[in-house]
Amino acid sequence: AQKVTQAQTEISVVEKEDVTLDCVYETRDTTYYLFWYKQPPSGELVFLIRRNSFDEQNEISGRYSWNFQKSTSSFNFTITASQVVDSAVYFCAQGGSEKLVFGKGTKLTVNP
Amino acid sequence: DAGITQSPRYKITETGRQVTLMCHQTWSHSYMFWYRQDLGHGLRLIYYSAAADITDKGEVPDGYVVSRSKTENFPLTLESATRSQTSVYFCASSVGTGKGETQYFGPGTRLLVL
Repeated sequence: AQKVTQAQTEISVVEKEDVTLDCVYETRDTTYYLFWYKQPPSGELVFLIRRNSFDEQNEISGRYSWNFQKSTSSFNFTITASQVVDSAVYFCAQGGSEKLVFGKGTKLTVNP
Repeated sequence: DAGITQSPRYKITETGRQVTLMCHQTWSHSYMFWYRQDLGHGLRLIYYSAAADITDKGEVPDGYVVSRSKTENFPLTLESATRSQTSVYFCASSVGTGKGETQYFGPGTRLLVL
């Protein structure tokens, strides 16, 4: 069965701090995808990244980086030098042969 | 490039009324999905469609009906609205050929059932 766990319900940081959002997944698929989505206060869901299960290289995009570790079934998301505009709910998801399964989300608040 | 749109964006209705939420995508994506988002439950899949005239149930299909006569449209109907269906509804479409591929979401419809 598929399952995605985001243990951190809410995180609050001060601007310029680094913050890591955790994501742990379970799947029986040998080939699968992992995703992160952002939901800012305006409500839309924005796709951030997709990783394939066979590609464990870390990904960096500006202040965002993602650490995929198959050995621990984790796909963590780090924001470096956080900004107020990063305040949002972040969802991790896992997909593949079956439908996308989303975690419950982590609400990140970045205070000035 | 309109992408994926939903209408209406906000809707207030009364218990027992029929409501239809519209979803339209301009990408010609094969897969389309309907989710509801509620506090404490995250995103839950209601129905999805692999192509025109092919639909299937998701996690919480009861009380909802879907159709897909054209690839670009995927309306969601609440046949007899209940208060428990008050929620934010998101439509999504998938760029890939499978259920588990990248999904792009519409802006959402906030539905209040009185």
